[in-house]
Amino acid sequence: GQNIDQPTEMTATEGAIVQINCTYQTSGFNGLFWYQQHAGEAPTFLSYNVLDGLEEKGRFSSFLSRSKGYSYLLLKELQMKDSASYLCAAMDSNYQLIWGAGTKLIIKP
Amino acid sequence: DAEITQSPRHKITETGRQVTLACHQTWNHNNMFWYRQDLGHGLRLIHYSYGVHDTNKGEVSDGYSVSRSNTEDLPLTLESAASSQTSVYFCASSPGEISGGNEQFFGPGTRLTVL
Repeated sequence: GQNIDQPTEMTATEGAIVQINCTYQTSGFNGLFWYQQHAGEAPTFLSYNVLDGLEEKGRFSSFLSRSKGYSYLLLKELQMKDSASYLCAAMDSNYQLIWGAGTKLIIKP
Repeated sequence: DAEITQSPRHKITETGRQVTLACHQTWNHNNMFWYRQDLGHGLRLIHYSYGVHDTNKGEVSDGYSVSRSNTEDLPLTLESAASSQTSVYFCASSPGEISGGNEQFFGPGTRLTVL
């Protein structure tokens, strides 16, 4: 079956770095998305990886290893506004997104 | 500015009633999706459409229907609401041809409670 695993909750300190991991199993693979979702709001797009390696976008970076079925989202210089849920989603062979349950990130001052 | 809207934002209904949730986008996107989001679960796909008059069932389509009569709108109908359909519903759209890199843009969501 198709499955996405990511930690339920993580806690980090303002100004620090945090890495949120995601493992996936899908029927075929057409890329890996990360979305941010603040409480009570809609998900918003952060990143997309389809090739192995690291994609950097400001304070946020995303990494993909296709052979390991693994991705991570790296957040640097954490700010209080980064407190949110981070959703990992893999696109399968039918171009459908398979979503993880999300990782709730709590930032402490 | 182009956008995607959902209405109503909150709805309380009774078991057995028919309910329709509206989704409207002004980006002229071909592709539209309906998801539900429940605690402990990822977003789950209910129905999707790749263009006018095209509709497809997703992972959790039982008890739901959609129709696509124009590019802008994809209303979601719950034929006979059940308590198990209490959830937050998100509509999303994406542009162009279906391909790997197309990000989906989400509406603000509708919180539906079925009593």
